[in-house]
Amino acid sequence: GAGVSQSPRYKVAKRGQDVALRCDPISGHVSLFWYQQALGQGPEFLTYFQNEAQLDKSGLPSDRFFAERPEGSVSTLKIQRTQQEDSAVYLCASSRQQGMNTEAFFGQGTRLTVV
Amino acid sequence: SQQGEEDPQALSIQEGENATMNCSYKTSINNLQWYRQNSGRGLVHLILIRSNEREKHSGRLRVTLDTSKKSSSLLITASRAADTASYFCATDVTTDSWGKLQFGAGTQVVVTP
Repeated sequence: GAGVSQSPRYKVAKRGQDVALRCDPISGHVSLFWYQQALGQGPEFLTYFQNEAQLDKSGLPSDRFFAERPEGSVSTLKIQRTQQEDSAVYLCASSRQQGMNTEAFFGQGTRLTVV
Repeated sequence: SQQGEEDPQALSIQEGENATMNCSYKTSINNLQWYRQNSGRGLVHLILIRSNEREKHSGRLRVTLDTSKKSSSLLITASRAADTASYFCATDVTTDSWGKLQFGAGTQVVVTP
């Protein structure tokens, strides 16, 4: 595709509900990142994949958060038993290769609201 | 925790004026990047400056980097209404070089016609 695609764009979940957020990176991009952006703040790193391997999940806020990228392309971020503090925009980014000085391309994000 | 801090938090200018915003960070970096985010849209990459570079230009954008002061500035010249957005600096600090970014809280820029 032309860019990083995320779905859904908006999600309203009742507290306690499980949600799944999808990211379609740019075709052929090796690296994939998930970030969480609270209102009025900059994005915060959640997790990183190199192909299908999850190399860093240090930013996941709790064990309710789980991410996967089983075939090294599409990724899913799952949040179990959602809480109000999970309300945020979840951004996915991909880059062509591993390595510093490589531009990351961001999707438009999924805005999650937990009520 | 956020690595970078942008200054000012908000900036209001008129079309044609220049806009300058600053970013300070805490640890050694591989590179520093600036992103723009319009209301309701994703982050758009503007410019990347490596740790061994001091200045970089891209169109109406000029970025400087002072690693001794751990600071960077973004200058937008001859601003347009379309430049209205939030601007974020982000630093790549990973020792194993895979591109994890740490963002600041951003500067909100409003350009009025």
